[in-house]
Amino acid sequence: DQQVKQNSPSLSVQEGRISILNCDYTNSMFDYFLWYKKYPAEGPTFLISISSIKDKNEDGRFTVFLNKSAKHLSLHIVPSQPGDSAVYFCAASDSFGNEKLTFGTGTRLTIIP
Amino acid sequence: DTGVSQNPRHKITKRGQNVTFRCDPISEHNRLYWYRQTLGQGPEFLTYFQNEAQLEKSRLLSDRFSAERPKGSFSTLEIQRTEQGDSAMYLCASTGDSTTYEQYFGPGTRLTVT
Repeated sequence: DQQVKQNSPSLSVQEGRISILNCDYTNSMFDYFLWYKKYPAEGPTFLISISSIKDKNEDGRFTVFLNKSAKHLSLHIVPSQPGDSAVYFCAASDSFGNEKLTFGTGTRLTIIP
Repeated sequence: DTGVSQNPRHKITKRGQNVTFRCDPISEHNRLYWYRQTLGQGPEFLTYFQNEAQLEKSRLLSDRFSAERPKGSFSTLEIQRTEQGDSAMYLCASTGDSTTYEQYFGPGTRLTVT
């Protein structure tokens, strides 16, 4: 039972354009959502998060949007840079579940120079 | 660097052997998590410690797996009688902030069971 889904295994974007990564979830108890970035041979690195009481959170080039009614969130990166090439994981947590993270399967983002 | 550290980074073992991994969290972080990641999947939760108390274990954690966090500092994850299906990346994460949910991950231990 995949509670967090990232349906696009890969995405290629031209440098300077916008990258949009999508994530869907099924568990209504999730109330906090996070995006992690992962390079090969390294652990995931926290990127940005959003609480379920908000619908948008912005940090520099990264913006996360949350649509609770659709159980959907997205990560926008603009402008995309070559260093953004990595695997991006969406994760969700619920405040009553010891805050353990449930991850999606990841999207490999490739920025084309 | 005061990030999460894990040792060893790589472990190759024969089926049936026991292995032990160590995680040193960020100092003063009282919460520590273990996850397992297999190829093509995201990390999956294994177990959670608050200080020295193990508060939750996933059903993924069979009887062959045991984790400890003595004195609430570093943690160890032991796998007994390893099987080929145990081959994976084992990730440790820590956090100390009770108002946010960001977890800080170590580089992981890659286990290969032959």
